[in-house]
Amino acid sequence: DSGVTQTPKHLITATGQRVTLRCSPRSGDLSVYWYQQSLDQGLQFLIQYYNGEERAKGNILERFSAQQFPDLHSELNLSSLELGDSALYFCASSHPRTGRSGANVLTFGAGSRLTVL
Amino acid sequence: AQSVTQLDSHVSVSEGTPVLLRCNYSSSYSPSLFWYVQHPNKGLQLLLKYTSAATLVKGINGFEAEFKKSETSFHLTKPSAHMSDAAEYFCVVSPGDDYKLSFGAGTTVTVRA
Repeated sequence: DSGVTQTPKHLITATGQRVTLRCSPRSGDLSVYWYQQSLDQGLQFLIQYYNGEERAKGNILERFSAQQFPDLHSELNLSSLELGDSALYFCASSHPRTGRSGANVLTFGAGSRLTVL
Repeated sequence: AQSVTQLDSHVSVSEGTPVLLRCNYSSSYSPSLFWYVQHPNKGLQLLLKYTSAATLVKGINGFEAEFKKSETSFHLTKPSAHMSDAAEYFCVVSPGDDYKLSFGAGTTVTVRA
């Protein structure tokens, strides 16, 4: 158990629908990251939050949105779902350290597998 | 700009033999480099990281990697493969901003009995 909790583990839904994926970061971690892993695109960075505020955006579609709440958990909202959104969605968290932030280690959750039919 | 190239999409080894997973990177900055492992239906787990200290980095489960700046490489090795090493391995580069991680395409390792 990495300490990063993601729910649900599996989700099957239909095109056009909306889903919410939830992530609880490891205790003490202030940053939350969302990644999408698909067979054709590999691991793609979606978005990062730090202590409740959006810090960086990657390849996140406009149909997707996220937020981080005061208790530091985060939700990723996916709407108007398409077949191509089927993927494994990972949440990761990290704790800020002094010095080179690039050395921060990300701790990943087990992922939420989304299947869009 | 930064990028990572994992030179082998699939590596197959016999149990007890060495494992070599190759990774080349490009980065405009002095990078931090990581190897993560993903077992089936699991999240990614950190194996080891390089952050400009010793060029030979030891990680968990007997893995180690050597940073070679002249070759822009960060190859992962293990002297003796175990069945439990069957997984997908990702090489990751970060230039210094913690969100700007670039993941390689991954190398799938299978271990033959």
